[in-house]
Amino acid sequence: DSGVTQTPKHLITATGQRVTLRCSPRSGDLSVYWYQQSLDQGLQFLIQYYNGEERAKGNILERFSAQQFPDLHSELNLSSLELGDSALYFCASSVEYGRAGDTQYFGPGTRLTVL
Amino acid sequence: AQKITQTQPGMFVQEKEAVTLDCTYDTSDPSYGLFWYKQPSSGEMIFLIYQGSYDQQNATEGRYSLNFQKARKSANLVISASQLGDSAMYFCAMREAPFYAGGTSYGKLTFGQGTILTVHP
Repeated sequence: DSGVTQTPKHLITATGQRVTLRCSPRSGDLSVYWYQQSLDQGLQFLIQYYNGEERAKGNILERFSAQQFPDLHSELNLSSLELGDSALYFCASSVEYGRAGDTQYFGPGTRLTVL
Repeated sequence: AQKITQTQPGMFVQEKEAVTLDCTYDTSDPSYGLFWYKQPSSGEMIFLIYQGSYDQQNATEGRYSLNFQKARKSANLVISASQLGDSAMYFCAMREAPFYAGGTSYGKLTFGQGTILTVHP
């Protein structure tokens, strides 16, 4: 158990819908990262927050947004869902950002299926 | 260009034998970190080992060791005394710390495509 929690574990929804994925980082970690894992794209970095502020952005679609709240939990919002958004979404957390050796610990993931 | 390359889509090893999973990387940053993660069929990502670009010695964590060859830009994972529970997908990842460039990519890990390891009894 990494100490990072993600809910829900599985999510099945229809195209055009909107969903929210939730993540609670390990105790003491200030950085939260979101990754998407799909068969065709592999593991892709989406976005990072540090202590409530956005710090880095990857190939995150405009239909996707995220935030980190004062209690440090984070939510990833996916809207106008398409079939291609079906993937495993991971949240990871680490103590800080900017250091090469800052280890990211991953949550169990949320498997999103868009029908 | 690929930043992380894992050239072995699949590897097989006999139980109790050692196995090496290859990883090469590409970066121009002097400060970076290299990580290996394990993803069993259940899906979670488990951190295994870390090597810093300035570390003088190769990292070790129990049965895992990292064969770090900086000049060749390789960071191979060695698993000794393989166990059936080692069967999983293994990912090599890199984190760059471009302080000098003032970039905004501090946080992200860049992953390779992974290697599926199968341990035979």
